Amino acid sequence: EAGVTQFPSHSVIEKGQTVTLRCDPISGHDNLYWYRRVMGKEIKFLLHFVKESKQDESGMPNNRFLAERTGGTYSTLKVQPAELEDSGVYFCASSQSPAEAFFGQGTRLTVV
Amino acid sequence: QKEVEQNSGPLSVPEGAIASLNCTYSDRGSQSFFWYRQYSGKSPELIMSIYSNGDKEDGRFTAQLNKASQYVSLLIRDSQPSDSATYLCAVTGGSYIPTFGRGTSLIVHP
Repeated sequence: EAGVTQFPSHSVIEKGQTVTLRCDPISGHDNLYWYRRVMGKEIKFLLHFVKESKQDESGMPNNRFLAERTGGTYSTLKVQPAELEDSGVYFCASSQSPAEAFFGQGTRLTVV
Repeated sequence: QKEVEQNSGPLSVPEGAIASLNCTYSDRGSQSFFWYRQYSGKSPELIMSIYSNGDKEDGRFTAQLNKASQYVSLLIRDSQPSDSATYLCAVTGGSYIPTFGRGTSLIVHP
């Protein structure tokens, strides 16, 4: 069974540009989470989908971040326009039960 | 603000010793507790889950939960150099969204 996959693994963009991160959850997992880890800090929650619906987006830092989950399958997280402080590792996780979450490899985003 | 606190370490133990990792949480309504292991540059990997007070053992790993003290720990027996990693404590409450601590770096030296 394939795990959670994320694309790209690394992205380096200039301040002001747009970047779109993609997450493919484990098949059949209704819950999908986005997290971000900034250097030296804890993994911070961004938002939670149940199927295609945003269940909780209280962790989204501002309106430069837009997440979608088309048809309850894969999800995208767009940052537009990117700022320096957006740099970090963005993790996606999915779960079937509302408990044990499985993580993707993460996307390392560097904004220069 | 729900918080999960961990000592960032590093915790250094000799090979074969018991490594003890600790975590406290602020939300008394927390229901599920997890330990993840994260190797450098890799994704967090779930290694233990615990839902009720007491101990839960899985191989060399034992998770301990004390809800009254809002404390959860992970013991690693017979520590191996391959156990060297960052160990993340995660806690979920009614919203079922895992909240993570900063992680404790464990170094097992030969």
